[in-house]
Amino acid sequence: DTGVSQDPRHKITKRGQNVTFRCDPISEHNRLYWYRQTLGQGPEFLTYFQNEAQLEKSRLLSDRFSAERPKGSFSTLEIQRTEQGDSAMYLCASSSQTVREQYFGPGTRLTVT
Amino acid sequence: AQSVTQLDSHVSVSEGTPVLLRCNYSSSYSPSLFWYVQHPNKGLQLLLKYTSAATLVKGINGFEAEFKKSETSFHLTKPSAHMSDAAEYFCVVSEKSGGYNKLIFGAGTRLAVHP
Repeated sequence: DTGVSQDPRHKITKRGQNVTFRCDPISEHNRLYWYRQTLGQGPEFLTYFQNEAQLEKSRLLSDRFSAERPKGSFSTLEIQRTEQGDSAMYLCASSSQTVREQYFGPGTRLTVT
Repeated sequence: AQSVTQLDSHVSVSEGTPVLLRCNYSSSYSPSLFWYVQHPNKGLQLLLKYTSAATLVKGINGFEAEFKKSETSFHLTKPSAHMSDAAEYFCVVSEKSGGYNKLIFGAGTRLAVHP
């Protein structure tokens, strides 16, 4: 296991379409995070999972966004009825129970046209 | 609430000269602080972390940062810049929330290194 992976790396979609991204964390990590990074800004926290439980959601996560981690391993982030303002890099990170640092994946760059 | 301010959005240095990337934080208690680097088309990589041990923290690739509580600063330094150091750097404070650590990122400093 070489790190956190995300798929796809790039996604171009038309406004109004639904998109789904996948994140595979480091295998022994039980904590998983999603962040969003817009151009020229630092990443902003979206949501956090401990095992399969979603324990916190940012106010940035509107009702068009949903995240799951059904078996406590990989996670998906779905955006329904995409808007141009959703264009951003979506980053996934994972960490273990005992170590504070989070390890990031390469991100999925979403472009909504 | 915790926050981070990176004082320079862009820093440009010549290869072989020192690097200084400035960061100030706001925290109601003793914080955990990090520096991450982001190269184009690559994920964020942890450079170094401060978690209330030694105030001078050494990281990878020759980078260091010093935690100064009196100045609420955590500046990143490197004695001699390499071309490969050109990237975006983020200062990050960790906020405890419900038993885990939420990362609060600064806006980033883009480092350019010229030959």
